[in-house]
Amino acid sequence: EAQVTQNPRYLITVTGKKLTVTCSQNMNHEYMSWYRQDPGLGLRQIYYSMNVEVTDKGDVPEGYKVSRKEKRNFPLILESPSPNQTSLYFCASSVGVVEKLFFGSGTQLSVL
Amino acid sequence: DQQVKQNSPSLSVQEGRISILNCDYTNSMFDYFLWYKKYPAEGPTFLISISSIKDKNEDGRFTVFLNKSAKHLSLHIVPSQPGDSAVYFCAASGLGFGNEKLTFGTGTRLTIIP
Repeated sequence: EAQVTQNPRYLITVTGKKLTVTCSQNMNHEYMSWYRQDPGLGLRQIYYSMNVEVTDKGDVPEGYKVSRKEKRNFPLILESPSPNQTSLYFCASSVGVVEKLFFGSGTQLSVL
Repeated sequence: DQQVKQNSPSLSVQEGRISILNCDYTNSMFDYFLWYKKYPAEGPTFLISISSIKDKNEDGRFTVFLNKSAKHLSLHIVPSQPGDSAVYFCAASGLGFGNEKLTFGTGTRLTIIP
């Protein structure tokens, strides 16, 4: 089954404790991206990647890191999480940016 | 600076009637537009798209209209069904100027009343 898998589904952590949210897709897609969803702000892009070893900043990259060492994986790293990073996070992939995106089920992150 | 705006946070429509969701954008370099639908506890799913070379695209009960001069697009759902109750996001991209980013609106929560 074609899918984007992100883990964990829920995560509660404390300020400053490094964490990684994993994302994997099995569709051989070139394009992958991370979004955060906040009330009243919709979906905002954090980082995107056009291909392996090619990443670029989205609209809200501060406080986040990504890597694309393999085509299928695109982890999101929070080196020192802060409470303002409490949000619902989505990973997505597609053949290309103008093609339809396939989204994961989301990761609800709470930073205390 | 919100480049893609959905000014109606919510909309209620009677089952069987037409639902019209609106989206405005400010960046004239956007040339491709998409609509996504999101149910609670799930990721968004692609619904329909339109290129700036067109002014209308249909897919079953869903039609998207694009008015480039007004920088406005709308999604029509006819007839509306209870399963259409969800949050709808419009999104825009501007590959024409090498921008690979996809910008989303803030979403409209559609409720279909049986």
